[in-house]
Amino acid sequence: GAVVSQHPSRVICKSGTSVKIECRSLDFQATTMFWYRQFPKQSLMLMATSNEGSKATYEQGVEKDKFLINHASLTLSTLTVTSAHPEDSSFYICSAREVLSFNEQFFGPGTRLTVL
Amino acid sequence: AQSVTQPDIHITVSEGASLELRCNYSYGATPYLFWYVQSPGQGLQLLLKYFSGDTLVQGIKGFEAEFKRSQSSFNLRKPSVHWSDAAEYFCAVGSGGYNKLIFGAGTRLAVHP
Repeated sequence: GAVVSQHPSRVICKSGTSVKIECRSLDFQATTMFWYRQFPKQSLMLMATSNEGSKATYEQGVEKDKFLINHASLTLSTLTVTSAHPEDSSFYICSAREVLSFNEQFFGPGTRLTVL
Repeated sequence: AQSVTQPDIHITVSEGASLELRCNYSYGATPYLFWYVQSPGQGLQLLLKYFSGDTLVQGIKGFEAEFKRSQSSFNLRKPSVHWSDAAEYFCAVGSGGYNKLIFGAGTRLAVHP
């Protein structure tokens, strides 16, 4: 149980286009999902906390208008990178907190974004 | 501010040798502590966690960690390392109302045959 999926696993896009990444909790309901960004050989940095049915809470320094987060249901959150540029290239990882599991986050496999 | 320090960026051990990965945290209250492992190009897998109670925590894959409040440490150990343990290891502390995780910089483990 407690499986989180991400789609796509890899995406390559041209500079200026928008890319949507999906994060799904497959076998549990997640009132809270988190989006992280990981640069090569570095740690995960929290970008935003996404709560079902409400606006996401962004960490300091993360552009809300560039990284649009939607958490429309208890099993799906999406991250849209708008007007992507090469510096947005990174590994994006989501996690989901299970309603019945107070502190545990379950992580997705990540999405590798490359902007040309 | 909450923070996590993993002093060792890269560690190399021989297969069969023991392992200890260091983690120090800074947190105002009783911390929720985690160790995750990440294989190349993949997401994170939880090895073990500490919330309260017994300070020696057993995890998956033969790993254990010990919470030492006096030293603000949560070091990860394994008595005998296998080649498949080569990966990146992250220590994290849970923070905030939604238990946001703050990660250390990670320790890359290489295992020599």
